[in-house]
Order: sequence, then structure tokens, then C-alpha cells
Amino acid sequence: NAGVTQTPKFQVLKTGQSMTLQCAQDMNHNSMYWYRQDPGMGLRLIYYSASEGTTDKGEVPNGYNVSRLNKREFSLRLESAAPSQTSVYFCASEVVGETQYFGPGTRLLVL
Amino acid sequence: GENVEQHPSTLSVQEGDSAVIKCTYSDSASNYFPWYKQELGKGPQLIIDIRSNVGEKKDQRIAVTLNKTAKHFSLHITETQPEDSAVYFCAASANTGGFKTIFGAGTRLFVKA
Repeated sequence: NAGVTQTPKFQVLKTGQSMTLQCAQDMNHNSMYWYRQDPGMGLRLIYYSASEGTTDKGEVPNGYNVSRLNKREFSLRLESAAPSQTSVYFCASEVVGETQYFGPGTRLLVL
Repeated sequence: GENVEQHPSTLSVQEGDSAVIKCTYSDSASNYFPWYKQELGKGPQLIIDIRSNVGEKKDQRIAVTLNKTAKHFSLHITETQPEDSAVYFCAASANTGGFKTIFGAGTRLFVKA
């Protein structure tokens, strides 16, 4: 039981490049989330998916898109990366209204 | 909108002392209150949680108290150790379907040896 896994662990992009962050969970959770965490800051919600086939915007969705591929996988896409998107990205899953389980994070640097 | 306020943002204590972190929530429908610990370079992990039908819960050196009337809940760490140094997040969650988990801004705890 791996919990929540994220790939890649680190990524460096140039401004304007695109990339997809991958997240998968093996706990059969319905809800999945993408957060960003800037240095010394808390967690800001980018997008979430309450169940397979549904996605909704969170607090800071601009510049991002998501896909809930199936119940296990929830990906985050940056279509045209900007330096302001330099951050650590966490994926999480939960049974609705219960404990959230976080992945190890993806550290992204946009030059 | 709904929010969770967390204080203090930074807390420094001497090893062996107690540490207390406080949170206030606004959504009266909240009924689940987890606390997460985030160590450097890692994702947050649950350390203790409490539900609205309980006033206090303890697990070894950590305890959480909840005052539903005042919409306050607190994390208490006794006999602090250097390995308790981390960022702690509180959260309030309402099990009503959809996204209803709101996190506090975090408290950076330093335990000095």
C-alpha cells in the first residue's frame, strides 16, 4: 500500500514550457486535491475532484488545468509555465470530510 | 467565506516545555478537526484528530481540545523534544459532500535543545 505517489519529485522548466504533474492513490478514496505551498506559507488549494469525473476550482486555479483520469489518478497541467508558479506541489486524497493523505510533493522551479 | 485562523505563526520553546497552538473556525457545520505535522521536505501527515462529539483526545505527548460553542480547538504538545520541530497545520472539515476541508496557515514550532 503506497498511499499517495507523485511524479516527478523535482522539475526545472523554462518560462513558457508545459508539463504535467502526476498523482496516484491506492486507498480507493473518492476525493483528490492539488495544493501549492510557497516558502514559509501554508497550503493553497489549486483544484480538487470530489469524485471520478468531476473537478472544481480552488483558491488559485489560474494557469493550471486538471484531469481526473480515473478514481486513482489526478493530474495537474501547467500549459505555459511562469516564474510565479515556482513552488512545491502536493497532491492529497481523502474520504470526503475525513483525513487527507498527502504525497511527498513535487518541487518545481520555473526559470 | 469560511476560514480557519491559526495562532501563533511561529513558536519557540525550550526542550521539555509544553507548546500550545490554537485555531478558530467559522463554519458551524464543521465536525472533524485534524492536525497535521509537516517536516522539512515532506508532505503533511496526520498526527491527531478530534470529532465534534468529543471535547478532548490524547495520544501520548499530544492532545487536542475542542470547544464547539466558541469554535476553538487547540493542539497541546507536552515534554517537547527537538524532533517535534516542524510546521503544524490545523484543519476543519464538514462531511457534507464536496470540498469542505479548510486549513489554517500553519505554525512553525522550534524546540531548542
